[in-house]
Amino acid sequence: GAGVSQSPRYKVAKRGQDVALRCDPISGHVSLFWYQQALGQGPEFLTYFQNEAQLDKSGLPSDRFFAERPEGSVSTLKIQRTQQEDSAVYLCASSSGTGLDNEQFFGPGTRLTVL
Amino acid sequence: AQSVTQLGSHVSVSEGALVLLRCNYSSSVPPYLFWYVQYPNQGLQLLLKYTTGATLVKGINGFEAEFKKSETSFHLTKPSAHMSDAAEYFCAVSPNAGKSTFGDGTTLTVKP
Repeated sequence: GAGVSQSPRYKVAKRGQDVALRCDPISGHVSLFWYQQALGQGPEFLTYFQNEAQLDKSGLPSDRFFAERPEGSVSTLKIQRTQQEDSAVYLCASSSGTGLDNEQFFGPGTRLTVL
Repeated sequence: AQSVTQLGSHVSVSEGALVLLRCNYSSSVPPYLFWYVQYPNQGLQLLLKYTTGATLVKGINGFEAEFKKSETSFHLTKPSAHMSDAAEYFCAVSPNAGKSTFGDGTTLTVKP
């Protein structure tokens, strides 16, 4: 596709439910990033993939959060046993290279609301 | 560790007036610096970036920013605001491969 797409755009979950958020990066992009953006704040780094390898997961807030990119393209962010503090917009970004200055292209995000 | 501080969570200017959005950073290594714009219900879009070389960086939509190492600043400016500039703006620093640290954002309002 022309840009990064994310689905669903909106997700409402009851506390304790598991959710899965999908990211389709720009075709051919090597790097993929997940960010969490709480209301009124800037995005916070969660995890980074280079192809299928998860090179950095230092931003994942707990072991309830898990991300994968098994074939080096589509990525899924899974949150188990959701809690109210998980309510946020989850942003995915991809870039064509691995250098520090490679532009990250962002998707529109998935807004997760945990009741 | 790195951090970004955006001074002023809300900035309001009149159409045609100068836009100045402030960003200060801290980084233990020479930083790469970015400004992004976010329109409602859309993803972040890169406005401009500083990597190395010229400290005055020009971006899209008439925006520019100047990297001042001595002041650890990377303020965003535009000489004349347009109504379509109303959005949220984020400053980010990226000293490590791929991992960007963002400020909390500044909401720009443009009054007619």
